Amino acid sequence: DAKTTQPPSMDCAEGRAANLPCNHSTISGNEYVYWYRQIHSQGPQYIIHGLKNNETNEMASLIITEDRKSSTLILPHATLRDTAVYYCIVRAAYGGSQGNLIFGKGTKLSVKP
Amino acid sequence: DGGITQSPKYLFRKEGQNVTLSCEQNLNHDAMYWYRQDPGQGLRLIYYSQIVNDFQKGDIAEGYSVSREKKESFPLTVTSAQKNPTAFYLCASSIVGSTSYNEQFFGPGTRLTVL
Repeated sequence: DAKTTQPPSMDCAEGRAANLPCNHSTISGNEYVYWYRQIHSQGPQYIIHGLKNNETNEMASLIITEDRKSSTLILPHATLRDTAVYYCIVRAAYGGSQGNLIFGKGTKLSVKP
Repeated sequence: DGGITQSPKYLFRKEGQNVTLSCEQNLNHDAMYWYRQDPGQGLRLIYYSQIVNDFQKGDIAEGYSVSREKKESFPLTVTSAQKNPTAFYLCASSIVGSTSYNEQFFGPGTRLTVL
């Protein structure tokens, strides 16, 4: 699986958009970008994933650069409940031990009033 | 409500005792997983199972054992052979196939403290 790099922490004002970057310069053609978040002392929560097109769901938007070497998770109107650690994971759909998600240290997002 | 339950939320055990952590899901998912999380760290895979009566070791299986006798249940036993068992344990499940393996639903976790 390709390695990902995320900033260790970010702040965001409540009601503003939170843009969380992730670098994955060694991503290969069959690897997807997944985002999860983990609120303190809870289990991680799946947010969104994409291959090369931008994706949007009720929680967030995922923007993947054309060369696929980086991506940005966008929370359009951050609330205090979005304070969490956000994990960017790059993984192929198949291969290796299926489902072995490799969580790094992620980005701790603090949403402030 | 559909989801994954783990019990108990907090568990204390004496060193040298085996302990079993419960994980139940009613999502009708075929695949289930156990992860371990240490303070300030990401998750590491202990065991996973894609079908009843079958399971595979993950990256850190030593000192742990599992069973998968029912689709809904995937208990994890932390044995006395596990050198550093104090951690936050997370169970997850997913549909089998394609990208679905990587869209996992997690339980609330069990925090195990070995005294």
